[in-house]
Amino acid sequence: NAGVMQNPRHLVRRRGQEARLRCSPMKGHSHVYWYRQLPEEGLKFMVYLQKENIIDESGMPKERFSAEFPKEGPSILRIQQVVRGDSAAYFCASSPRGGGTEAFFGQGTRLTVV
Amino acid sequence: GESVGLHLPTLSVQEGDNSIINCAYSNSASDYFIWYKQESGKGPQFIIDIRSNMDKRQGQRVTVLLNKTVKHLSLQIAATQPGDSAVYFCAEIFSGSARQLTFGSGTQLTVLP
Repeated sequence: NAGVMQNPRHLVRRRGQEARLRCSPMKGHSHVYWYRQLPEEGLKFMVYLQKENIIDESGMPKERFSAEFPKEGPSILRIQQVVRGDSAAYFCASSPRGGGTEAFFGQGTRLTVV
Repeated sequence: GESVGLHLPTLSVQEGDNSIINCAYSNSASDYFIWYKQESGKGPQFIIDIRSNMDKRQGQRVTVLLNKTVKHLSLQIAATQPGDSAVYFCAEIFSGSARQLTFGSGTQLTVLP
């Protein structure tokens, strides 16, 4: 059973471009969480999704950021018109049930905006 | 060796010694706590968890202690090994939220040979 798969592992974007980060949860997991980590800081919650639904997006900036988890395919975190401050590691976690427990993390996508 | 979490973000211990990593959590209503280990360039890895109705839980070489009175959590690692070198984060879950994890700032553990 493969773990949580995130791709790409590293992503470089110029200011103003779009970044798309993908997360494939573990088999049988229908709950996905996205977190952002700045260097030498803890992870900060962004958004919680269940299949085809956004459950909680209270941690996500109102502008430029969006997330989806379609019925088929991976969850996508999309950042439009990236700025230097978006440079960070973005982690996805999946769990079989809601509740945040039993959450397994992917290896993350490291976004660098130049 | 022992850290004070937010005040001592780094902890160095000799191989074979015991390590104690501390964490002050923020929400007195949190009902579930987890310790994660994060190695450089990798995602957080689950170590051990504890529910708020417990004050101690033991795993293999690790023990978590919870003091709800002072909102304090600690992770004890017995016989620390070089492979234990990593950043350790505590995380809390509050049942009133959508139950996302709220992470602490982390402690860098370095095991000296």
